[in-house]
Amino acid sequence: DADVTQTPRNRITKTGKRIMLECSQTKGHDRMYWYRQDPGLGLQLIYYSFDVKDINKGEISDGYSVSRQAQAKFSLSLESAIPNQTALYFCATSDSGGPYNEQFFGPGTRLTVL
Amino acid sequence: AQSVTQLGSHVSVSEGALVLLRCNYSSSVPPYLFWYVQYPNQGLQLLLKYTSAATLVKGINGFEAEFKKSETSFHLTKPSAHMSDAAEYFCAVISQAGTALIFGKGTTLSVSS
Repeated sequence: DADVTQTPRNRITKTGKRIMLECSQTKGHDRMYWYRQDPGLGLQLIYYSFDVKDINKGEISDGYSVSRQAQAKFSLSLESAIPNQTALYFCATSDSGGPYNEQFFGPGTRLTVL
Repeated sequence: AQSVTQLGSHVSVSEGALVLLRCNYSSSVPPYLFWYVQYPNQGLQLLLKYTSAATLVKGINGFEAEFKKSETSFHLTKPSAHMSDAAEYFCAVISQAGTALIFGKGTTLSVSS
């Protein structure tokens, strides 16, 4: 079984709809991240969380919110989706006990906003 | 601020040829550097990492990278390309605060027979 899972894997929605993307991990890591990938732009950090009570904005947090329901679960919400939020979204985890912040990625969620 | 620049958004090689993917970094502190690979329709997988222990770092699938402080570079190489190496490759550096990874824009590697 995969260590980092994301649901759904694909989602098509309409402008203005509320969308939630979910991430679960079985690695026992305390740190979790949400990234967005656009062609030619690499990955950009949306939010990150170092534990259940520690949530921080990344470089492109506008239009997004997150919830850390438990150490193993980290959800990303688009309150009112817009077409330029069409992208591939990745969840990642890392262990605070490791000095190098090596991150482990989920398989991604492809979101299309019409 | 930390940043990485990947030179060349697309690299094409023949099977059996040398693979060279370029990455230059900017860092105000000793950097921790990573190369990740993304195969089609998959997430990112760690290829190798530089953590200051050795300047030549060996990774999975025959890849290696050399940290050159004087050139602020961390280029990825493989002596002989295989068709299965076709993927997108990302160079990344840990942010100054150590809170997250900062990624380059990626290089797509194509391998022809």
